[in-house]
Amino acid sequence: DAGITQSPRYKITETGRQVTLMCHQTWSHSYMFWYRQDLGHGLRLIYYSAAADITDKGEVPDGYVVSRSKTENFPLTLESATRSQTSVYFCASTITRTDTQYFGPGTRLTVL
Amino acid sequence: AQTVTQSQPEMSVQEAETVTLSCTYDTSENNYYLFWYKQPPSRQMILVIRQEAYKQQNATENRFSVNFQKAAKSFSLKISDSQLGDTAMYFCAFGSNFGNEKLTFGTGTRLTIIP
Repeated sequence: DAGITQSPRYKITETGRQVTLMCHQTWSHSYMFWYRQDLGHGLRLIYYSAAADITDKGEVPDGYVVSRSKTENFPLTLESATRSQTSVYFCASTITRTDTQYFGPGTRLTVL
Repeated sequence: AQTVTQSQPEMSVQEAETVTLSCTYDTSENNYYLFWYKQPPSRQMILVIRQEAYKQQNATENRFSVNFQKAAKSFSLKISDSQLGDTAMYFCAFGSNFGNEKLTFGTGTRLTIIP
């Protein structure tokens, strides 16, 4: 049971480049989320999705784009990376609105 | 909007001792959910314990228990018989009943268990 996976685990890119972080879950959970983790801020929600083709903004959506064409995948794209987007990114999923969220292993992204 | 405050950035305790991590939150809702997540050096976010606000009984999971004080909006985590493997960042999180899919996290407490 693979659960929820993220790729890549580490990524270094340059300012202005497009980067896509992948998230895949094998549980058929309806809800999926993207968070970023920064020192002093805990985890902050970037975007979430309630089902395939349904997405909504979280607390810090600027500079990010998401899509969800299949239930199991929820990619996060930085269209033009900036240094302020250097962070650790977590994907999570849950089966219903009131169930516990389960997290992927995270992706450490560095923008030079 | 809800806020979650963890006022202890760092804590340390001797192995086998008991430690309590504090969490307070602010909300106008009556029904909601509270969580403690553990993040060890591996960076994986692991659920430690979950509490539903409508339940008066404090949740427990083996050595982990909470002290949920709804009126005071306090949700502390007690770790008994602490082990070296408990060394981690601990995050308190709030889930609204109106949108539990969106969690609000505190800034975390770094806990070190000293051998």
